[in-house]
Amino acid sequence: SSELTQDPAVSVALGQTVRITCQGDSLRSYYASWYQQKPGQAPVLVIYGKNNRPSGIPDRFSGSSSGNTASLTITGAQAEDEADYYCNSRDSSGNHLRVFGGGTKLTVL
Amino acid sequence: QVQLVQSGAEVKKPGASVKVSCKVSGYTLTELSMHWVRQAPGKGLEWMGGFDPEDGETIYAQKFQGRVTMTEDTSTDTAYMELSSLRSEDTAVYYCATSAAGNDAFDIWGQGTMVTVSS
Repeated sequence: SSELTQDPAVSVALGQTVRITCQGDSLRSYYASWYQQKPGQAPVLVIYGKNNRPSGIPDRFSGSSSGNTASLTITGAQAEDEADYYCNSRDSSGNHLRVFGGGTKLTVL
Repeated sequence: QVQLVQSGAEVKKPGASVKVSCKVSGYTLTELSMHWVRQAPGKGLEWMGGFDPEDGETIYAQKFQGRVTMTEDTSTDTAYMELSSLRSEDTAVYYCATSAAGNDAFDIWGQGTMVTVSS
């Protein structure tokens, strides 16, 4: 079982805003990073730290955190945003181990 | 620009070991903290282990303790992940991943190596 919990599936209408969440005790102490993965491809980092986007990631992707929940928000979702999204952070053991959430399948309608 | 290039697909029998390589270009391996992540068919990402710069040692997920070894050859800038006592549940794509920006996130990934365990 994962120490980071994500909803298995979320859908959004084209052009609308969607929030994907990740819950876990370790998120009270550490930021989550977020990864987008399309079929047959390696994951791509989309958000890290407090709310940072790597070069080349559109500004419609943003991140936030409150308590034990980290969120990835896509403002104005596009068809190409349909993908699996995973959060990652330290685990709650304090041993610097990492853990991924179970992933959220985003469907853009 | 950092690139990670992994070795090719492998087919192994149950009980055997597999060693996957990850060649770094654009940086030297000593500048990076390399991690390994796997993904079984149709399943999510699973962190296996990686180098922890805070403690200066390689750490492993409890699930793989005793069965996985991650090593580095700094002379060739190549990282390795060896998994032993393979079973069918180890069939997965194995990725190396690192942070070129020196933070906690994995901004660079290898292309993945498919490992199939089958009798």
